[in-house]
Amino acid sequence: AQKITQTQPGMFVQEKEAVTLDCTYDTSDPSYGLFWYKQPSSGEMIFLIYQGSYDQQNATEGRYSLNFQKARKSANLVISASQLGDSAMYFCAMREYGNKLVFGAGTILRVKS
Amino acid sequence: GAGVSQSPSNKVTEKGKDVELRCDPISGHTALYWYRQSLGQGLEFLIYFQGNSAPDKSGLPSDRFSAERTGGSVSTLTIQRTQQEDSAVYLCASSLAGSGGRVEQFFGPGTRLTVL
Repeated sequence: AQKITQTQPGMFVQEKEAVTLDCTYDTSDPSYGLFWYKQPSSGEMIFLIYQGSYDQQNATEGRYSLNFQKARKSANLVISASQLGDSAMYFCAMREYGNKLVFGAGTILRVKS
Repeated sequence: GAGVSQSPSNKVTEKGKDVELRCDPISGHTALYWYRQSLGQGLEFLIYFQGNSAPDKSGLPSDRFSAERTGGSVSTLTIQRTQQEDSAVYLCASSLAGSGGRVEQFFGPGTRLTVL
């Protein structure tokens, strides 16, 4: 079974609008963490935001926020006020047992001017 | 810079040859990870080193793959008798010690391996 599912292979958003990238996960570990990484065309992986399974509030980091719905096992990334530089591949990842990350297949985001 | 560095950035080899990929983690990071990113397979965990503990090798795809970490710092990923399906970008990451919580992994630029 897929541990991390990102159902949107590609998304388009108009510059300055908000966009939501979906992520659902599957784990039996009560203690886990969810990460979002951005991978521009240059290839580097850039950490965006983290949500712990016991965190009471949704994580926010600048224009990034995480819509964490634990009962639904979803951790969607919301990017507000999209910029052209946000065009990239976005990966959702989960840390469960130990520290290794399990990644989803990714979503390619294209911001239109 | 103070980030994770990897070498070489690109490696082209012939099928059947051995290759070594190097990773220099961020100074002070005791945890080091190798991942592989390939078309059709996405990002896959390969191996994880944490301090002096035995490495977690659960992601290595075959016994042709091995990795070591010398002196708790530099790591080398070795692929013996390379196959065309080994073609991928190999990413190294490092993090501070500890398990659980927000243990952010910092990634290197990757090594693009092409097996002809």
